[in-house]
Formats: sequence, structure tokens, C-alpha cells
Amino acid sequence: EVQLVESGGGLVQPGGSLRLSCAASGFISSDHYMDWVRQAPGKGLDWVGRIRNKRNSSTTEYAASVKGRFTISRDDSENSLFLQMNSLKTEDTAVYYCVRVGADYYLDHWGQGTLVTVFS
Amino acid sequence: DIQMTQSPSSLSASVGDRVTITCRASQGINKHLAWFQQKPGKAPKPLIYAASTLQSGVPSRFSGSGSGTDFTLTISSLQPEDFATYYCQQRKDYPLTFGGGTKVEIK
Repeated sequence: EVQLVESGGGLVQPGGSLRLSCAASGFISSDHYMDWVRQAPGKGLDWVGRIRNKRNSSTTEYAASVKGRFTISRDDSENSLFLQMNSLKTEDTAVYYCVRVGADYYLDHWGQGTLVTVFS
Repeated sequence: DIQMTQSPSSLSASVGDRVTITCRASQGINKHLAWFQQKPGKAPKPLIYAASTLQSGVPSRFSGSGSGTDFTLTISSLQPEDFATYYCQQRKDYPLTFGGGTKVEIK
């Protein structure tokens, strides 16, 4: 069974940093692209970014709203995905989901999410 | 960026009703569209990909159609467990973008 478990969320002040982790199991994570998607309280879904697999050089894509502040990385030896968030803003407050990219590049498995609250 | 517009933003329906949700892309996306269902406090659940292909385990009362810019999600006979918020999402171009959501409520 595919499982994605996020951790690392919490409270942080504007300008601060936080590192989220996602532990993957039940599949060969190194084969897959992986995404982060967030959802502000009471709002819709907002794509954060993607990291490709090693075969595609683990290159990344980001939403404009986070580019230059957030960095996605992966450690395939540990079946883990990371989201380093710097220069956090109040508008980054959201539940952050780790998402597996499946066949044909569709999002096919989601973690349960971890809440990040940026408060002033 | 490709803008995804869903309508309606909410609807009230009864068990057994046929429900249709529309998603429109600001430019052509071929059939590169997915639908998700989300219940309060839960992660989104994938329903449909490539506009019309059901994810494994999704009941056949769900169906998707469309290509280019106009897409629909149809629930042929609404069940109690279908009351939720539904989102469309395009994967044609970066950044990936989602529709604003359609909340399906009990009438």
C-alpha cells in the first residue's frame, strides 16, 4: 500500500524557516516524480512545486509565489521528500500535502498533510 | 498560467440526483485534466485522470468528459458519501493549476 506521511509543520514567524519532510513507503519512490501541494484554511488547492526522479536529474519546478524561497529535494536512499521553506510569509499558512506523481504525470496518491502556520 | 474555472461554486442536491460540474480552461489543454474529491479535514482523493479515465476503485457512477477547454464531471446518482468538494486540475503546463472547487451539499 502506498503511504506518504508528512511531518515538520508548526508555528513560525514571518521571515522564518521551516523544513517539511515526507516519508514514502509501499512503492519505489525513486522511480517517481513528487509534488508538494498546499491548501490555505478554507481555501482551494494550490500547487507548490515538483521534483523529478533521478533518471531526470531530480530537476525541479516551482510556483511563482514560492520560487526563490522554497526548495524541494529528495533522498531516495531514505525514501524521503523535503520542502525547505525560507522567508516565510503569512500567506504561506496552509496544510502542505506531499503527492506522488503517477502514470501519465497525474497526481495519484496524497499524504494526510501537515499544517504550517506563519503568524505575526 | 492556465486558469481553471469551475461552475457552480456550490450546489445543493438530493440523494439519487444526477449532478454535473463544469470546468473550463483558459486555453486548450487537450485531455490533460484530473478531478479530485475532498471531504472536510481529509486529503484530496483522485477520481478521474486524462479527462475521462476512472482511478482504480472509483465507483462507476462517476464519469468525466471533455477535451480542449471544456470539461464535465458527472455523478449519475448521488450517494450520501458523495457530499464533498470537487476540484479539477490541469497538467498540460507548469504551473499545475486547480479550479476553485465545487461544494456539493445536501438539499
